[in-house]
Amino acid sequence: GESVGLHLPTLSVQEGDNSIINCAYSNSASDYFIWYKQESGKGPQFIIDIRSNMDKRQGQRVTVLLNKTVKHLSLQIAATQPGDSAVYFCAEKGYKLSFGAGTTVTVRA
Amino acid sequence: DTGVSQNPRHKITKRGQNVTFRCDPISEHNRLYWYRQTLGQGPEFLTYFQNEAQLEKSRLLSDRFSAERPKGSFSTLEIQRTEQGDSAMYLCASSFGTGDQPQHFGDGTRLSIL
Repeated sequence: GESVGLHLPTLSVQEGDNSIINCAYSNSASDYFIWYKQESGKGPQFIIDIRSNMDKRQGQRVTVLLNKTVKHLSLQIAATQPGDSAVYFCAEKGYKLSFGAGTTVTVRA
Repeated sequence: DTGVSQNPRHKITKRGQNVTFRCDPISEHNRLYWYRQTLGQGPEFLTYFQNEAQLEKSRLLSDRFSAERPKGSFSTLEIQRTEQGDSAMYLCASSFGTGDQPQHFGDGTRLSIL
């Protein structure tokens, strides 16, 4: 069965607002997570990763939070832009990535 | 462009035909992975190579599927006697090193079986 899953299949966000995409995982031994963005007709694009010895990691306009107690991670996108419209996947492990079903983010102008 | 390259981008074929896809990974990446993605789903792992060695194959990879990476650089994925259910996007990814490292994906080959 699926070992990672996103909470909402779709998310509609006003341009300029912050977006939060959530993901839950089931394996408490999981120690590495990756967020990917997939635009229509393209392959998944690496956004940011986090290891289990961290609670938070920041990139350019993105922040990933990891809560190992409740086995939950989130991706926050600051000042969402139209180019952020895509499907977002969380995945666990470094090889044999296990993906959830994805959250489709739509940015409203 | 130094990213992962996949060819062809699209393949349409009749049921029962054989097809072969090619993946050229990022040049210094020693690991190469194949995934399959169907509409509305996340990618599913098929197999991976470390250099030229195929280290793991998913149960999704039936006997009709074969992957090779003969010189540890590019890889091919062949599907024999294609079936309707093989219609999907086939994605290739590569990564560097042996530990947990981010995989970088190509834009895939979309296979349509008539």
